[in-house]
Parts: sequence; structure tokens; C-alpha cells
Amino acid sequence: GIQVEQSPPDLILQEGANSTLRCNFSDSVNNLQWFHQNPWGQLINLFYIPSGTKQNGRLSATTVATERYSLLYISSSQTTDSGVYFCAVGRRFYNQGGKLIFGQGTELSVKP
Amino acid sequence: AAGVIQSPRHLIKEKRETATLKCYPIPRHDTVYWYQQGPGQDPQFLISFYEKMQSDKGSIPDRFSAQQFSDYHSELNMSSLELGDSALYFCASSERTGSVTEAFFGQGTRLTVV
Repeated sequence: GIQVEQSPPDLILQEGANSTLRCNFSDSVNNLQWFHQNPWGQLINLFYIPSGTKQNGRLSATTVATERYSLLYISSSQTTDSGVYFCAVGRRFYNQGGKLIFGQGTELSVKP
Repeated sequence: AAGVIQSPRHLIKEKRETATLKCYPIPRHDTVYWYQQGPGQDPQFLISFYEKMQSDKGSIPDRFSAQQFSDYHSELNMSSLELGDSALYFCASSERTGSVTEAFFGQGTRLTVV
């Protein structure tokens, strides 16, 4: 099956700092999503980005599908950004498949 | 906007008991997925349904079963519960036949087996 690796596993930032999270995957995919899991366990959709670049406020993401990696950029971090960031990939052919395979996550802690 | 609804949010059961988790997908979504997330782990895929038929199966124990009903809601039935079943259980839904297959997750059911 598809392997998903995220780096770094842990990250501690001072408020206001910028960071880049990386997601590598082992095979071609047609779905890639970034999630933020908050301290209450809720999985929040950040980006649906099987290819290309998207921006949403202080967050942006880029997926280079041909090279099998995706990057999540967090700028001017805030304490509320703390939590675990997951990359998840999936592959769908016709009406088969579609499940997401998660990486092990990056645990981010933003200090005031 | 409507989201994926899961119930109950929290559940405490004793060993060997049975539990039923419910999931109501986003309207017009045709696919439902179930995931299990243990403490400090990433979510693991259990099973999925497309148009009320089982479409894929992951690491789901034989003690667990699931189905999707005519109104598209889904239930995960867990029997002979073990301490190791304590986890956060997520349901997700997506529109598989569309060009965008983004999955949305419910808030999860936190199951504690004592």
C-alpha cells in the first residue's frame, strides 16, 4: 500500500515564527488533504490539494504530484495553531478506493 | 454548512459489552468511511461504504461490523469489547463520483472500555 511520511515529527515554535511541514508519499495519488487535529481531537480540513498551490490566510500548501510530496506553510504562527497536523493521501479509480491513508503527523507547539 | 454528525460523542463500556456508533454523512455524499485513532496514533482506516454497499475493508477486527442504511446513515457495531478498543472513532464522508473527492470528518466518538 501507499506509504506516507511526515516531517518533522515534532516542532516547537515561538509565536510569530514561520514553519514548513513536509509530506512524502510513495505512489501516485489523486487525493491529498491536510488536517489540523485540535486538542479536543477534532480533525479540521485545511486543504484539499492533490496538486498545485493554495492559500488560506496564514496557511498555504503546495503539492508536487510528480515528485510525490506536499508542503504546508504556516506563517506568523499563533498559539491556537498548536496541535497535530496530518497529511492524508488517497487513490480513486472509477468507483473503487478513495480511503485516506494518514501520515504519522507533525505535533506543533506554539509558545507565547 | 451541514457537517458529518456522529453519536454518541462519548461512550464508556465494560469489557465484553457491545457498542453501536452512528454516523450521519453530509447530504448528497455517497461514501462513508470509518477510522479508528488510538492514543498518540494516526487514524487507521476500518471500512467504507459506497451507495450502501461495502466498498473497501481495512484493519477491522472480526468482532466489528458495519452497514449503511437506505437514508445513507451508517452504524459501526462493536462486540466483545476489549480494553484495546479504547480509541477515538471517526466517520467521514465524501462524494466519490464527483471530480472533487474531499473527505470531511465528524467530531468523533471517544470510546473508553473499562
